[in-house]
Amino acid sequence: DIQMTQSPSSLSASVGDRVTITCRASQRISSYLNWYQQKPGKAPRLLIYAASRLQSGVPSRFSGSGSGTYFTLTISSLQLEDFATYYCQQSYNTPQEFTFGGGTKLDIK
Amino acid sequence: QVTLRESGPALVKPTQTLTLTCTFSGFSLSTTRMSVSWIRQPPGKALEWLALIDWDDDKYYSTSLKTRLTISKDTSKNQVVLTMTNMEPVDTATYYCARIRREYSSSPVDYWGQGTLVTVSS
Repeated sequence: DIQMTQSPSSLSASVGDRVTITCRASQRISSYLNWYQQKPGKAPRLLIYAASRLQSGVPSRFSGSGSGTYFTLTISSLQLEDFATYYCQQSYNTPQEFTFGGGTKLDIK
Repeated sequence: QVTLRESGPALVKPTQTLTLTCTFSGFSLSTTRMSVSWIRQPPGKALEWLALIDWDDDKYYSTSLKTRLTISKDTSKNQVVLTMTNMEPVDTATYYCARIRREYSSSPVDYWGQGTLVTVSS
Protein backbone atom coordinates (compact mmCIF):
# COMPACT_ATOMS: atom_id res chain seq x y z
CA ASP A 1 0.00 0.00 0.00
CA ILE A 2 1.10 3.55 -0.68
CA GLN A 3 1.65 5.66 2.43
CA MET A 4 1.30 9.44 2.39
CA THR A 5 3.31 11.46 4.92
CA GLN A 6 2.61 15.13 5.50
CA SER A 7 4.86 17.57 7.24
CA PRO A 8 4.69 19.40 9.44
CA SER A 9 1.77 17.92 11.34
CA SER A 10 1.04 21.36 12.75
CA LEU A 11 2.15 24.86 11.89
CA SER A 12 1.65 28.29 13.38
CA ALA A 13 1.74 31.29 11.09
CA SER A 14 0.54 34.86 10.80
CA VAL A 15 -1.75 36.60 8.34
CA GLY A 16 0.28 37.55 5.29
CA ASP A 17 2.84 34.78 5.73
CA ARG A 18 3.86 32.44 2.92
CA VAL A 19 3.33 28.85 4.00
CA THR A 20 4.38 25.57 2.43
CA ILE A 21 3.10 22.12 3.41
CA THR A 22 4.77 18.99 2.09
CA CYS A 23 3.42 15.56 1.26
CA ARG A 24 5.61 12.57 0.49
CA ALA A 25 4.47 9.31 -1.09
CA SER A 26 6.09 6.00 -0.19
CA GLN A 27 6.42 5.23 -3.90
CA ARG A 28 6.12 7.17 -7.11
CA ILE A 29 2.58 8.35 -7.88
CA SER A 30 3.21 10.58 -10.91
CA SER A 31 0.83 13.55 -10.43
CA TYR A 32 -2.09 11.59 -8.96
CA LEU A 33 -2.27 13.90 -5.96
CA ASN A 34 -5.02 16.12 -4.56
CA TRP A 35 -5.12 18.68 -1.74
CA TYR A 36 -8.07 19.46 0.51
CA GLN A 37 -8.83 22.04 3.20
CA GLN A 38 -11.01 21.18 6.18
CA LYS A 39 -12.40 23.51 8.82
CA PRO A 40 -13.74 22.25 12.16
CA GLY A 41 -17.12 20.58 11.90
CA LYS A 42 -17.16 20.86 8.10
CA ALA A 43 -16.57 18.52 5.20
CA PRO A 44 -13.28 18.93 3.34
CA ARG A 45 -13.02 21.20 0.30
CA LEU A 46 -11.00 20.42 -2.83
CA LEU A 47 -8.23 22.96 -3.45
CA ILE A 48 -5.81 21.37 -5.91
CA TYR A 49 -6.09 18.30 -8.15
CA ALA A 50 -3.57 16.53 -10.34
CA ALA A 51 -0.84 18.01 -8.14
CA SER A 52 -0.98 21.53 -9.55
CA ARG A 53 -4.41 22.30 -11.02
CA LEU A 54 -6.45 24.85 -9.11
CA GLN A 55 -10.06 23.83 -8.49
CA SER A 56 -12.63 26.30 -9.78
CA GLY A 57 -13.45 28.97 -7.23
CA VAL A 58 -10.31 28.48 -5.14
CA PRO A 59 -8.25 31.66 -4.62
CA SER A 60 -5.07 31.94 -6.64
CA ARG A 61 -2.96 32.30 -3.48
CA PHE A 62 -3.16 28.50 -3.27
CA SER A 63 -0.79 26.57 -5.49
CA GLY A 64 0.45 23.01 -5.74
CA SER A 65 3.54 21.47 -7.22
CA GLY A 66 5.45 18.23 -7.39
CA SER A 67 5.52 14.88 -9.08
CA GLY A 68 6.70 11.40 -8.25
CA THR A 69 7.06 11.20 -4.48
CA TYR A 70 7.37 14.82 -3.34
CA PHE A 71 4.57 17.39 -3.38
CA THR A 72 3.95 20.80 -1.89
CA LEU A 73 0.96 23.03 -1.20
CA THR A 74 1.82 26.71 -0.91
CA ILE A 75 -0.33 29.56 0.34
CA SER A 76 1.33 32.72 -0.90
CA SER A 77 -0.18 35.17 1.60
CA LEU A 78 -2.19 33.71 4.44
CA GLN A 79 -5.65 35.07 5.05
CA LEU A 80 -7.69 34.63 8.20
CA GLU A 81 -10.00 32.14 6.48
CA ASP A 82 -7.05 29.88 5.57
CA PHE A 83 -6.50 28.66 9.12
CA ALA A 84 -7.64 25.06 8.85
CA THR A 85 -6.37 21.52 8.43
CA TYR A 86 -4.95 20.45 5.08
CA TYR A 87 -4.84 16.92 3.65
CA CYS A 88 -3.13 15.42 0.65
CA GLN A 89 -4.60 12.35 -1.06
CA GLN A 90 -3.24 9.99 -3.72
CA SER A 91 -5.13 7.93 -6.27
CA TYR A 92 -2.37 6.09 -8.11
CA ASN A 93 -2.72 2.49 -7.02
CA THR A 94 -3.80 -0.35 -9.19
CA PRO A 95 -6.16 -1.78 -8.10
CA GLN A 96 -7.48 1.61 -7.19
CA GLU A 97 -7.04 2.73 -3.63
CA PHE A 98 -7.16 6.29 -2.36
CA THR A 99 -4.94 7.23 0.57
CA PHE A 100 -4.97 10.41 2.63
CA GLY A 101 -2.07 11.96 4.44
CA GLY A 102 -2.23 12.51 8.17
CA GLY A 103 -3.11 16.17 7.85
CA THR A 104 -1.42 19.49 8.66
CA LYS A 105 -3.15 21.78 11.12
CA LEU A 106 -2.46 25.44 10.37
CA ASP A 107 -3.26 27.82 13.17
CA ILE A 108 -2.71 31.44 14.03
CA LYS A 109 0.57 32.42 15.66
CA GLN B 1 -26.57 21.94 -8.05
CA VAL B 2 -24.79 18.86 -6.73
CA THR B 3 -25.74 17.66 -3.26
CA LEU B 4 -25.06 14.48 -1.32
CA ARG B 5 -26.64 13.45 1.96
CA GLU B 6 -25.74 10.56 4.23
CA SER B 7 -28.33 8.74 6.29
CA GLY B 8 -28.18 5.88 8.73
CA PRO B 9 -28.10 5.06 12.43
CA ALA B 10 -26.26 7.37 14.79
CA LEU B 11 -25.57 4.54 17.23
CA VAL B 12 -24.72 0.91 16.61
CA LYS B 13 -23.68 -1.82 19.01
CA PRO B 14 -20.44 -3.74 18.74
CA THR B 15 -20.61 -6.69 16.32
CA GLN B 16 -23.60 -5.18 14.50
CA THR B 17 -23.65 -4.33 10.80
CA LEU B 18 -23.78 -0.67 9.79
CA THR B 19 -25.78 0.33 6.72
CA LEU B 20 -25.37 3.86 5.39
CA THR B 21 -27.19 5.38 2.45
CA CYS B 22 -25.95 8.25 0.32
CA THR B 23 -28.72 10.05 -1.56
CA PHE B 24 -27.48 12.47 -4.17
CA SER B 25 -28.78 14.92 -6.72
CA GLY B 26 -27.41 17.09 -9.49
CA PHE B 27 -25.63 14.27 -11.28
CA SER B 28 -26.20 10.70 -12.37
CA LEU B 29 -24.13 7.65 -11.58
CA SER B 30 -24.92 6.35 -15.02
CA THR B 31 -22.80 9.17 -16.48
CA THR B 32 -19.47 7.96 -17.79
CA ARG B 33 -16.55 8.58 -15.44
CA MET B 34 -18.70 9.53 -12.49
CA SER B 35 -18.12 7.80 -9.15
CA VAL B 36 -19.19 7.94 -5.51
CA SER B 37 -16.96 7.15 -2.58
CA TRP B 38 -17.27 6.71 1.18
CA ILE B 39 -14.69 8.32 3.45
CA ARG B 40 -14.64 8.42 7.24
CA GLN B 41 -12.98 10.50 9.94
CA PRO B 42 -12.70 9.41 13.58
CA PRO B 43 -13.08 12.30 16.04
CA GLY B 44 -9.95 14.46 15.95
CA LYS B 45 -8.20 12.21 13.45
CA ALA B 46 -7.39 12.10 9.76
CA LEU B 47 -9.57 11.17 6.81
CA GLU B 48 -9.69 7.52 5.78
CA TRP B 49 -10.93 6.34 2.39
CA LEU B 50 -13.24 3.32 2.56
CA ALA B 51 -14.78 2.40 -0.78
CA LEU B 52 -15.69 3.62 -4.26
CA ILE B 53 -18.21 2.63 -6.90
CA ASP B 54 -17.87 3.65 -10.53
CA TRP B 55 -20.51 4.49 -13.14
CA ASP B 56 -19.93 1.05 -14.69
CA ASP B 57 -20.39 -0.70 -11.33
CA ASP B 58 -16.69 -1.35 -10.74
CA LYS B 59 -16.03 -1.36 -7.01
CA TYR B 60 -12.89 -0.70 -4.97
CA TYR B 61 -12.24 -1.11 -1.27
CA SER B 62 -9.70 -0.13 1.33
CA THR B 63 -7.24 -3.01 1.62
CA SER B 64 -7.43 -2.97 5.40
CA LEU B 65 -11.24 -3.04 5.54
CA LYS B 66 -12.29 -4.86 2.38
CA THR B 67 -13.44 -8.01 4.16
CA ARG B 68 -16.01 -5.93 6.07
CA LEU B 69 -17.25 -3.54 3.38
CA THR B 70 -19.80 -3.76 0.59
CA ILE B 71 -20.73 -0.85 -1.67
CA SER B 72 -23.64 -0.84 -4.09
CA LYS B 73 -25.68 1.60 -6.13
CA ASP B 74 -29.26 2.11 -7.22
CA THR B 75 -28.98 4.43 -10.19
CA SER B 76 -32.73 4.88 -10.51
CA LYS B 77 -32.94 6.17 -6.94
CA ASN B 78 -29.68 8.14 -7.06
CA GLN B 79 -28.42 6.24 -4.05
CA VAL B 80 -25.24 4.49 -2.97
CA VAL B 81 -25.26 2.14 0.00
CA LEU B 82 -22.32 1.11 2.17
CA THR B 83 -22.47 -1.79 4.60
CA MET B 84 -19.77 -2.45 7.18
CA THR B 85 -19.94 -5.63 9.20
CA ASN B 86 -18.71 -6.45 12.69
CA MET B 87 -18.62 -2.85 13.94
CA GLU B 88 -16.22 -2.00 16.78
CA PRO B 89 -15.77 1.09 18.96
CA VAL B 90 -12.74 2.09 16.83
CA ASP B 91 -15.16 2.48 13.90
CA THR B 92 -16.73 5.47 15.63
CA ALA B 93 -16.38 8.25 13.08
CA THR B 94 -18.07 10.76 10.85
CA TYR B 95 -18.86 8.98 7.60
CA TYR B 96 -18.91 11.05 4.41
CA CYS B 97 -20.13 10.20 0.96
CA ALA B 98 -18.52 12.11 -1.85
CA ARG B 99 -18.55 12.49 -5.62
CA ILE B 100 -15.43 11.73 -7.58
CA ARG B 101 -14.67 13.08 -11.03
CA ARG B 102 -12.89 10.24 -12.82
CA GLU B 103 -12.31 12.30 -15.94
CA TYR B 104 -9.60 14.14 -14.04
CA SER B 105 -6.47 12.02 -13.85
CA SER B 106 -6.17 12.20 -10.08
CA SER B 107 -9.86 11.36 -9.44
CA PRO B 108 -10.48 14.21 -7.00
CA VAL B 109 -13.45 14.48 -4.69
CA ASP B 110 -15.22 17.62 -5.83
CA TYR B 111 -18.39 17.39 -3.72
CA TRP B 112 -18.88 16.06 -0.21
CA GLY B 113 -21.90 15.30 1.91
CA GLN B 114 -22.18 16.95 5.30
CA GLY B 115 -21.23 13.70 7.02
CA THR B 116 -23.00 11.57 9.58
CA LEU B 117 -21.53 10.68 12.97
CA VAL B 118 -21.76 7.00 13.81
CA THR B 119 -20.95 5.95 17.37
CA VAL B 120 -20.23 2.33 18.20
CA SER B 121 -21.06 1.55 21.80
CA SER B 122 -22.94 -0.99 23.82
